[in-house]
Amino acid sequence: AAGVIQSPRHLIKEKRETATLKCYPIPRHDTVYWYQQGPGQDPQFLISFYEKMQSDKGSIPDRFSAQQFSDYHSELNMSSLELGDSALYFCASSLLRISGNTIYFGEGSWLTVV
Amino acid sequence: DAKTTQPPSMDCAEGRAANLPCNHSTISGNEYVYWYRQIHSQGPQYIIHGLKNNETNEMASLIITEDRKSSTLILPHATLRDTAVYYCIVRVPSVSGGYQKVTFGIGTKLQVIP
Repeated sequence: AAGVIQSPRHLIKEKRETATLKCYPIPRHDTVYWYQQGPGQDPQFLISFYEKMQSDKGSIPDRFSAQQFSDYHSELNMSSLELGDSALYFCASSLLRISGNTIYFGEGSWLTVV
Repeated sequence: DAKTTQPPSMDCAEGRAANLPCNHSTISGNEYVYWYRQIHSQGPQYIIHGLKNNETNEMASLIITEDRKSSTLILPHATLRDTAVYYCIVRVPSVSGGYQKVTFGIGTKLQVIP
């Protein structure tokens, strides 16, 4: 079965640069979620989109922005990168309006800021 | 959101059943119990979920007490590949329909021992 696809899998950026992560949800899924997992930490929710509209917002820095496009893929844009942004970023997707709507996660994108 | 409490770590002998407990004493009637696991630095993997009844799938069984204040995830024959952090999560219905994001707390680090 198709899973959530994230790209790139690994990314190295310098401080103050910009990075963009892409997420392709499971086909027919209408909701996308972004999570950040720092070293030794549990995944933290950043933001979610349902039908291309922001549906929920967590601890996402103002330097970060995200959107969901008409084909339901999503991009997380991170600007003015800081060393502390180095983390594993997960995208997840679900089909919202079904009972329980299970969320499925991608394998993540490793961002290293040097 | 209903909070969950899990033991920080557990060991299990390979081939034996692993029973992972979770307390969620403040759960509401329409909140689902979900279990995910995360093998080191991989994307969180959905295992199973339930509302009131016990559930079983190819990976595990979920036993929910009658008062729904606690549950147990059972891996019937643990293997070394089941070594991971296991998260018990209660999901809250969203006002816009469907259910909200999953919020990761402190899970149980399961170590399967040869």
